[in-house]
Order: sequence, then C-alpha cells, then structure tokens
Amino acid sequence: AQSVTQLDSQVPVFEEAPVELRCNYSSSVSVYLFWYVQYPNQGLQLLLKYLSGSTLVKGINGFEAEFNKSQTSFHLRKPSVHISDTAEYFCAVSDRSYSGGSNYKLTFGKGTLLTVNP
Amino acid sequence: DTGVSQDPRHKITKRGQNVTFRCDPISEHNRLYWYRQTLGQGPEFLTYFQNEAQLEKSRLLSDRFSAERPKGSFSTLEIQRTEQGDSAMYLCASSPLAGGRETQYFGPGTRLLVL
Repeated sequence: AQSVTQLDSQVPVFEEAPVELRCNYSSSVSVYLFWYVQYPNQGLQLLLKYLSGSTLVKGINGFEAEFNKSQTSFHLRKPSVHISDTAEYFCAVSDRSYSGGSNYKLTFGKGTLLTVNP
Repeated sequence: DTGVSQDPRHKITKRGQNVTFRCDPISEHNRLYWYRQTLGQGPEFLTYFQNEAQLEKSRLLSDRFSAERPKGSFSTLEIQRTEQGDSAMYLCASSPLAGGRETQYFGPGTRLLVL
C-alpha cells in the first residue's frame, strides 16, 4: 500500500516570493513521483515527474522538484511565483514495478492550495 | 491530439436517479482510468481499463457503479440510484500501453451534484 502526505493544506505567499510545497510518501515498493496542478473547476495538469536518473527534475511554468529517497520526499519549488500560480497542487505516486503487473494507478495526497497575493 | 475529453462537464440530478458519464481518451492510449475527487480531497482511484478489459476495481466502486469500455475506445461510468454521497468530481485519465505508460493525462472532469 502507498500513501502520500502533503504537509501543508494551504500556503499563502506574496507575488515574486519563493515557495516550497512539501510532499512525503510511504511505499513498500519503488515508485514514480508526480506533481499535478488543478485550477478551479478544471482537471489535473501534469507539472513534472520523477521516473529515474537525476533527482532534480524541472517542469512547466518554472517549477522544479527534488526526489530524496532517504527522506521519502518530493518537494516542489519555484523561485519566484506569479499571481497565475494560484491553484491546488497535488503530489502523487505510482508503483513502478511493471514486472509485478502494475497498472500505474495513482495515489494522491490531499492537495496544497497555493494562494499568491499581490 | 486533442487531449482527454469528458461529457458532460456538469450534472445535477435528484437522489435515486441514474447518471452516465462519458470519457474519450487520447487516441491510441490503451490505458484508461477513472478517479473520484470529493471536496477538499485528492483524487481517488476507482477503476482501470487496458483496452476493453476492466483489470482493476477499487473497493470504492460499489455495486451501484459500473464502468465499461466497449471496443477499447471511449468509456462510460454509470451510477445507479444516486445518493448525496456520490456528489463529487469524476475524473478520467489515459496513458499509452508502452512508451510513457507511467504518465497519465487527465480530462476536465464531470462535476456531479446529487440533490
């Protein structure tokens, strides 16, 4: 079984400030890691993903995340946020063991609402 | 590539009625997923199709719920005898069978309100 904990339900920041959204996961198997963004009344848009290789991954809209295996974390960061970044952000994991018949279903955290104020 | 589409985008129904939602995945994506998202929560997995075969169903999918994917193309999710607790956003996602299989692309969702 897998679980995802997003440590902050809400993060208010001022425009042009840096931001970090925290994500920790628990899993008995190796995982793939994802961050999705959801704007009001819309579906989920993929921001970035960690599959393998470099632990620092870059995504769209200037976001990046770092995979830390020892701390089982995948925190999302942006050095300077814009008003348009206001949205709900979801961290998710899936089982990467294809040989075990994984269907790659996603387990999500509860989300972090990022509010960027002028 | 027009992305994943879902229809309708919004549905209001009365308790006890049946509703059906449709999902059209990205063309040539063999894998299709349904998730449910309630207010203030992250999406939760409901069911998974590989082509036309339904390979996994969550325990969240009670016997009032049924999903199909005839011919391995679009999928439908039907809820019978709706209850107020069924009010949620229903999200569909798809991914390819091989290259990029781990990455799911989501549709805009269908928001259901049961009165």
